[in-house]
Amino acid sequence: GDSVTQMEGPVTLSEEAFLTINCTYTATGYPSLFWYVQYPGEGLQLLLKATKADDKGSNKGFEATYRKETTSFHLEKGSVQVSDSAVYFCALSDPGSNYKLTFGKGTLLTVNP
Amino acid sequence: DVKVTQSSRYLVKRTGEKVFLECVQDMDHENMFWYRQDPGLGLRLIYFSYDVKMKEKGDIPEGYSVSREKKERFSLILESASTNQTSMYLCASKGSLDTQYFGPGTRLTVL
Repeated sequence: GDSVTQMEGPVTLSEEAFLTINCTYTATGYPSLFWYVQYPGEGLQLLLKATKADDKGSNKGFEATYRKETTSFHLEKGSVQVSDSAVYFCALSDPGSNYKLTFGKGTLLTVNP
Repeated sequence: DVKVTQSSRYLVKRTGEKVFLECVQDMDHENMFWYRQDPGLGLRLIYFSYDVKMKEKGDIPEGYSVSREKKERFSLILESASTNQTSMYLCASKGSLDTQYFGPGTRLTVL
């Protein structure tokens, strides 16, 4: 079945540091890939997505590239801010599974001033 | 913007009570989903619905049921709440594209 593996946290960085959160996936079909973010006490918000190989999703300075050859979708940001502190979830949506989302376990990011 | 609302942000119930969690979306989406979120386990799909009165079990349906009488509303029912159902419950909806939009969540505590 489908699965998503993302790096375990927590991740603690200083403001303006470079961020990478690794995500790899297993899917039977050709999934779409997502990063969702959850700020403290809130629901999930879509951060970015990519629907096919070599697509790059980007939003709010975050980027991720759909790499079919390595089945990866790593999240990156060049300079994090305190306001980026949140839990980040990698997810895939497989058309062969009725477009259900399969999530990774989440990575808690804390950015210190 | 898509808006998904959930009836309560926080709920405290006693073991054995029947619990209703309500979710409403305003974008005429066909698909709606219920997840629970637990530390270290991420989000797990309980049930989803792809049309009015239609439902399918997700990965962890035991102890739960759902109701979708109107397109905009999807209810999660705990027939007899137990302490192991203490969790954060998240509702989501999806239209013809593949993006799911989430509500703010309901944190349920069962004593």
